[in-house]
Amino acid sequence: DAGITQSPRHKVTETGTPVTLRCHQTENHRYMYWYRQDPGHGLRLIHYSYGVKDTDKGEVSDGYSVSRSKTEDFLLTLESATSSQTSVYFCATGQGNYEQYFGPGTRLTVT
Amino acid sequence: EDQVTQSPEALRLQEGESSSLNCSYTVSGLRGLFWYRQDPGKGPEFLFTLYSAGEEKEKERLKATLTKKESFLHITAPKPEDSATYLCAAVGGGSNYKLTFGKGTLLTVNP
Repeated sequence: DAGITQSPRHKVTETGTPVTLRCHQTENHRYMYWYRQDPGHGLRLIHYSYGVKDTDKGEVSDGYSVSRSKTEDFLLTLESATSSQTSVYFCATGQGNYEQYFGPGTRLTVT
Repeated sequence: EDQVTQSPEALRLQEGESSSLNCSYTVSGLRGLFWYRQDPGKGPEFLFTLYSAGEEKEKERLKATLTKKESFLHITAPKPEDSATYLCAAVGGGSNYKLTFGKGTLLTVNP
């Protein structure tokens, strides 16, 4: 358990509205990641961070942005939510040994 | 491009019936092979890291092994509480700490 919390845990929003998901960690891990998990696709990396203000894209980054102003917080923003972004979102953290530890997830529904 | 393939997609066992899950990987310069357990509605829970061919790790009824092309998760005398989805992931030397996940094996153990 890497002391990872995600908020909100559940959210329903309408198409076209902005949404921000928050990941908070208490382990002082350098790396933080955002994934989405969908049936038939497994876990797919959206964006990741390798330090404060250092971020990079994953394999499914279109329509998403991230920010990391503090070691402990990593925000994922959907600028204008679409129905295809309905998913379960997981945050993960890690250090230099490549292991990643996951949060409890946020279930997002875009109507 | 790194690839991880898990088989079977689903496995149903009777309590006490031992079996193995397979994870085949194509990764340049393997840095680590990871196994996770995921229960419904929860985030993946870290189980094992394997770093080199021939390595083995054990935890209760689970044993993970690694060859140059695949990893196995052996489940000995499973119990109903072992029912979960088991995920495999790998990271290569050129991946910049990004894991590639397989789609998982859904294990059901009947009493």
